[in-house]
Amino acid sequence: AQRVTQPEKLLSVFKGAPVELKCNYSYSGSPELFWYVQYSRQRLQLLLRHISRESIKGFTADLNKGETSFHLKKPFAQEEDSAMYYCALSSTQGGSEKLVFGKGTKLTVNP
Amino acid sequence: DAGVIQSPRHEVTEMGQEVTLRCKPISGHNSLFWYRQTMMRGLELLIYFNNNVPIDDSGMPEDRFSAKMPNASFSTLKIQPSEPRDSAVYFCASSLAPLNTEAFFGQGTRLTVV
Repeated sequence: AQRVTQPEKLLSVFKGAPVELKCNYSYSGSPELFWYVQYSRQRLQLLLRHISRESIKGFTADLNKGETSFHLKKPFAQEEDSAMYYCALSSTQGGSEKLVFGKGTKLTVNP
Repeated sequence: DAGVIQSPRHEVTEMGQEVTLRCKPISGHNSLFWYRQTMMRGLELLIYFNNNVPIDDSGMPEDRFSAKMPNASFSTLKIQPSEPRDSAVYFCASSLAPLNTEAFFGQGTRLTVV
């Protein structure tokens, strides 16, 4: 069965400090991984996906199959990064794909 | 397109009453997901549909919960009878397979059962 684990429920850093939000997964197949973000009073939205190998708003995430991890990193956190972050895994089942989320990490960036 | 539309945005109901949450996915999307968000459990997948067919409902908590998708542009999640522990934010999302593109979420319905 597929599972996504985000060990930190809360993470607090100061502006300008590096930030890393941890995500580990378990899945027997080839994983498709994503990070979603939910800013205050906004809907959940895609931040980045591993297949694109992109950097969005200064965030990057590298898939490490050996460690089954997909940690989200940013070298210099900004106050506007404060939000709820969810790691997600897409898995194939019955010919279609479903999206399973971790429990989320609430990031607070203090001034 | 206005995105995924959920209604109502807020619902307060008494224990034992029936609650129906509604979702209109983005036109052309062929997958639809219902999630429940709570502080304790995060974002849980309840059920998802592909081409209007339920694929996996293993996340539905119990028989009090049911979901339908009568056509490609409408889905409902029903709780009957509702209980206080059902209080949560319920999200609907839609996507265009393959899923490694993006899932688009509605604004959610905040349900309070008193």
